[in-house]
Amino acid sequence: QPQLQESGPGLVKPSETLSLTCTVAGGSLTNGYYYWGWIRQPPGKGLEFIGNIYFSGNTYYNPSLKSRVTIALDTSKNQFSLKLNSVTAADTAVYYCARGGASQMLYAMDVWGQGTTVTVSS
Amino acid sequence: QSALTQPASVSGSPGQSITISCTGTSSDVGSFNLVSWYQHHPGKAPKLMIYEVSERPSGVSYRFSGSKSGHTASLTISGLQAEDEAHYYCCSYAGSSAVVFGGGTKLTVL
Repeated sequence: QPQLQESGPGLVKPSETLSLTCTVAGGSLTNGYYYWGWIRQPPGKGLEFIGNIYFSGNTYYNPSLKSRVTIALDTSKNQFSLKLNSVTAADTAVYYCARGGASQMLYAMDVWGQGTTVTVSS
Repeated sequence: QSALTQPASVSGSPGQSITISCTGTSSDVGSFNLVSWYQHHPGKAPKLMIYEVSERPSGVSYRFSGSKSGHTASLTISGLQAEDEAHYYCCSYAGSSAVVFGGGTKLTVL
């Protein structure tokens, strides 16, 4: 099983862009059996699927966030990233990256990062 | 898409069985056998417990089982243990690469 680790600023100002990176260790982003996704959990609330990306470059974004989200792959570094622009306090959450099944265990996420807390505040 | 509906909380005593429901629509749970369940302890990464409605990943206890009828999926935990106390989330494929989570259920082991 690979290990996933999120990294990025823990504090972002309102109206700015939240940028996070997920580093995949012990596995390859180019494995077509999987997709790579971002999920978040606001304080006191449940999990929310933000979006995902496949090795092909195809992406899916949650319609409620679609206008503000970009997910990208960097296969040279074995990383994938999340950018969320025009953030507000409502974007304060623990952000997780995860591996999901694209060929088996379809759409289930079997490997997760530990999560990183992002606070939006001036 | 709307979040799947789960009870906010369930409880049971050690050794008992509990069932958590997850109700969706004809656009998600009702149309695809692609429901997964996650166990989430505070401060830790969520853990996949069930995929494709009723399949258990390697290493997950046989005490965890899943099923589906119509638009409602269910997670059953038998022989409750103290370490089962956690939040549980269902998740379903909703077509066109969309994935939707339930609101989560807090399981308390009395």
